[in-house]
Amino acid sequence: AQSVTQLGSHVSVSEGALVLLRCNYSSSVPPYLFWYVQYPNQGLQLLLKYTSAATLVKGINGFEAEFKKSETSFHLTKPSAHMSDAAEYFCAVRSNTGNQFYFGTGTSLTVIP
Amino acid sequence: EAGVVQSPRYKIIEKKQPVAFWCNPISGHNTLYWYLQNLGQGPELLIRYENEEAVDDSQLPKDRFSAERLKGVDSTLKIQPAELGDSAVYLCASSAFEETDTQYFGPGTRLTVL
Repeated sequence: AQSVTQLGSHVSVSEGALVLLRCNYSSSVPPYLFWYVQYPNQGLQLLLKYTSAATLVKGINGFEAEFKKSETSFHLTKPSAHMSDAAEYFCAVRSNTGNQFYFGTGTSLTVIP
Repeated sequence: EAGVVQSPRYKIIEKKQPVAFWCNPISGHNTLYWYLQNLGQGPELLIRYENEEAVDDSQLPKDRFSAERLKGVDSTLKIQPAELGDSAVYLCASSAFEETDTQYFGPGTRLTVL
């Protein structure tokens, strides 16, 4: 069964600093991986997705993630944090047997002015 | 293009009362999902529909939860009777047949059971 683990439930960075949110996956076959962002009182919005094409995936709002099979990781990065990046971020994996998605427990990003 | 619409946005009820949530997916999306999101957690699938057929309801507590998508468009999720532990956000999402790996989420319904 597929699953994802997000390391660090809370991350704080200064405005302008590098953002790094960690996600490791567990899958016996190459997975489809996703990062979503959730702002307060809103639904989840897709940031980016990895679907077995390029290992470096660029998403919206300047975010990108790199699929590393050797490390079973799919960490999310952004070179320079903006105040508007403060939100909850979820990593997710899609099963290979159907349209089932499994989400991590989320990482809350705080951006310090 | 309108996104996924959910109503109500907030609901407060007393335990043992019934409650219903409504979702209208993006037009043309044949797959509809209902998720439960507890505070500080990621969404967990309750039920998935392909058109009007519930193809995955293994995580739906069928003793008190029910769902329907009669015409393969909008859907209703019901809880009867509600328990204190049902307090959570109920999210609806949809995806298109030709792009099943991309889900679009609604804003959710925040349920508080007193």
